[in-house]
This record gives sequence, structure tokens and C-alpha cells, in this order.
Amino acid sequence: SQQGEEDPQALSIQEGENATMNCSYKTSINNLQWYRQNSGRGLVHLILIRSNEREKHSGRLRVTLDTSKKSSSLLITASRAADTASYFCATSGYSTLTFGKGTMLLVSP
Amino acid sequence: DVKVTQSSRYLVKRTGEKVFLECVQDMDHENMFWYRQDPGLGLRLIYFSYDVKMKEKGDIPEGYSVSREKKERFSLILESASTNQTSMYLCASSQPTGKGGNIQYFGAGTRLSVL
Repeated sequence: SQQGEEDPQALSIQEGENATMNCSYKTSINNLQWYRQNSGRGLVHLILIRSNEREKHSGRLRVTLDTSKKSSSLLITASRAADTASYFCATSGYSTLTFGKGTMLLVSP
Repeated sequence: DVKVTQSSRYLVKRTGEKVFLECVQDMDHENMFWYRQDPGLGLRLIYFSYDVKMKEKGDIPEGYSVSREKKERFSLILESASTNQTSMYLCASSQPTGKGGNIQYFGAGTRLSVL
């Protein structure tokens, strides 16, 4: 399956700093998505980038996609304590998504 | 807003019991999914359904079955619960890729403990 793998597994930063998470995958994709999960809750969709796009912005989020390297990155600028969560990339096939194991982000006040 | 509702947040069952996990979505989505999430293993797809009465196996279907009698409801069934099925179960729904990019909307999850 075309599984995404996030890096790092865990990231600890101070409020106001930027957080960067990376995702690598193995096969061609329709699109790549990032999701967020607060502790013990369901996942929430953050942003989708299509295979023919290179960069996308949404508020404090910036996603890049490099299909030649089969990799994506999620940048959260000016992090807040409320950004503390796990972040997952997901590669999209026709009907299903395949999720990576996630990056756990801790933002300290 | 899309709402996906899972019937229970926490559930405790005994080994050998038949367990039903219910999921309802209110956005007329065609696709529905059941995942389990375990530490260090991420989300793994158990079953999905792309239409009423249709189902497809995911990556780990063993020990589970599903039912979709109505478009808005997707049930996960553990025929005879075992301790290795203790996990967080997540339901999701989406429109097909051509209609919505396959963005999935998740319920809050059911944490199942099998004793």
C-alpha cells in the first residue's frame, strides 16, 4: 500500500516558533492530505494538495509537495499551545486513504 | 458542518461477546470507513463501504464484519471479541475522489476495552 511516513515522530517547540513535519510515500498519488488529531479524539482534515500542485497555504499552514522525491512537508508558522496535537499525512488512492503513523507536536507556552 | 457520530466514546466488553459499534453521518456521503488506531501502528483500515449494502475489506478485516443497510449508517461488528481487539475505533465518511478529493470526516472515536 502507498503508506506515508512522517518524520520526526515527535517534535517539541516553544510558542511562536515554526514547526516542520515531513512525509514520505512510496507510490504515485492522486493527492496528499494532512490531518490533525487532538489527544483521544477523531482526526480533522487540515489541507489537501493535489499531485500537480507544488505548494499550498491555509492560514498559518503551508504544505509543499515534491512528487519526484515522493515527499511532502507541513509547516506551521508562529505555533501556539493549542497546536499541540498529532499530525498525520495521508495519501489518496481512488476511494481510500493510507495514513502514516503521525508526528506528535508539543508546543510549550 | 459535516457530522459523524459514533454511538459510544468508551465501551468495555468481555471476551467472546458480540460487539456492535455504530456510526452515523449526516452529509449524504457515499463512502464510509472503519479504522482502528493503536500506539505505534497508526490508523489501519478495517473495512469500507462505497454504497448501501456494499463493502470492501481493508488491510485488517480478520475478526470483524460490517453492515450498511442505510446510506447514513455503517456498523462494525466484532463477532466474538478478543483482548487483541482492544483499541480506539474511528469511523469516517467521504465523497468519492471525483466529487470531493476523498477528504474524510471523522467521528470522535470509540475506545473499546475487551477484558
